[in-house]
Amino acid sequence: AQSVSQHNHHVILSEAASLELGCNYSYGGTVNLFWYVQYPGQHLQLLLKYFSGDPLVKGIKGFEAEFIKSKFSFNLRKPSVQWSDTAEYFCAIYRAAGNKLTFGGGTRVLVKP
Amino acid sequence: NAGVTQTPKFRVLKTGQSMTLLCAQDMNHEYMYWYRQDPGMGLRLIHYSVGEGTTAKGEVPDGYNVSRLKKQNFLLGLESAAPSQTSVYFCASKRDYEQYFGPGTRLTVT
Repeated sequence: AQSVSQHNHHVILSEAASLELGCNYSYGGTVNLFWYVQYPGQHLQLLLKYFSGDPLVKGIKGFEAEFIKSKFSFNLRKPSVQWSDTAEYFCAIYRAAGNKLTFGGGTRVLVKP
Repeated sequence: NAGVTQTPKFRVLKTGQSMTLLCAQDMNHEYMYWYRQDPGMGLRLIHYSVGEGTTAKGEVPDGYNVSRLKKQNFLLGLESAAPSQTSVYFCASKRDYEQYFGPGTRLTVT
């Protein structure tokens, strides 16, 4: 069975600090990779996605993620966070054969002003 | 487009009561999903549907039933609610590989 691991459950940062959130998955075949963000009290929104091609993908709000196939990783980064980046972040993988997304446990990020 | 909508937004049930959560999408998507979100566990798939009249079990289907009588609607039922079903429930629909989520329903079972 495939699984998705997010290493940090909680991260606390100050504004302007850099952010990196780890995501590893266990499935060895072809996958599509996603990062979703959930702002307080809101539903999940797509931050960025990787299907193929350049392993460095850019998303909304200055976020980017790098797919490293040999490490089964898809880490999320932002060079300089803002208070408005306070949210919970979810990594997810999709196998077409399974018709469904598998989510990691989420990382809660608190950015202090 | 309203996207994906869910009703109700909040509900409190007593143990043993039943209820139905409604999910509606106006994007003509074939695939629809029901998830539950619990702290530290991410989103776990309850049931899903690949088209009108079809349903399939996900990761945590016990205690829930679903129906997809119309393409735009996906209903999640709890026949006899238990405190372990206290959670936030999200519905989603899918086009290609991208899922679009509803605003969620916060359910408390006492």
